[in-house]
Amino acid sequence: NAGVMQNPRHLVRRRGQEARLRCSPMKGHSHVYWYRQLPEEGLKFMVYLQKENIIDESGMPKERFSAEFPKEGPSILRIQQVVRGDSAAYFCASSPGLRDTQYFGPGTRLTVL
Amino acid sequence: QQPVQSPQAVILREGEDAVINCSSSKALYSVHWYRQKHGEAPVFLMILLKGGEQKGHEKISASFNEKKQQSSLYLTASQLSYSGTYFCGPLETSGSRLTFGEGTQLTVNP
Repeated sequence: NAGVMQNPRHLVRRRGQEARLRCSPMKGHSHVYWYRQLPEEGLKFMVYLQKENIIDESGMPKERFSAEFPKEGPSILRIQQVVRGDSAAYFCASSPGLRDTQYFGPGTRLTVL
Repeated sequence: QQPVQSPQAVILREGEDAVINCSSSKALYSVHWYRQKHGEAPVFLMILLKGGEQKGHEKISASFNEKKQQSSLYLTASQLSYSGTYFCGPLETSGSRLTFGEGTQLTVNP
């Protein structure tokens, strides 16, 4: 049973470009969570999605950031017009249901030049 | 609101014990514990549900006092492989997602 998959593992963007981060949850998991982690800091919640629905986006910046989890395909975190402050590791986690254990993917390291 | 973890960092010699505490100001449904090694993803250790239960994973165990909204992680006879940052992730009774603490950096030296 494959774990949570994220791609790309490393992403380099210039300021003003768009970044698209993908997350495929574990088989049988319909709940997806996105976190951001700055170097030497903790995991900051961004958004919680179920298939085709955003359940909680209270941790997501109001501008430039969006997330989706379509009926088919991976969950996508999209960052428009990236700035240097967006440089971080972005982790995706999935769980089979509400309040269940979350399993993390390997993360995407975003570097904005 | 973010839970408070203590200590922020701890250095041990192999074989020594450590306790990491996690405290929340909210009523909790469960507490999740993870360990993250540098440059890697967080790895799930254990989950504790309300009821004051205690769980164990090899020489790592944890307790959860729902009345005090606190959880503690106990590392016994530490091994070099225990080094990493430990995060607690409480789930509020009224909530639907985890809120992680800032982490406790544990270093085990030979």
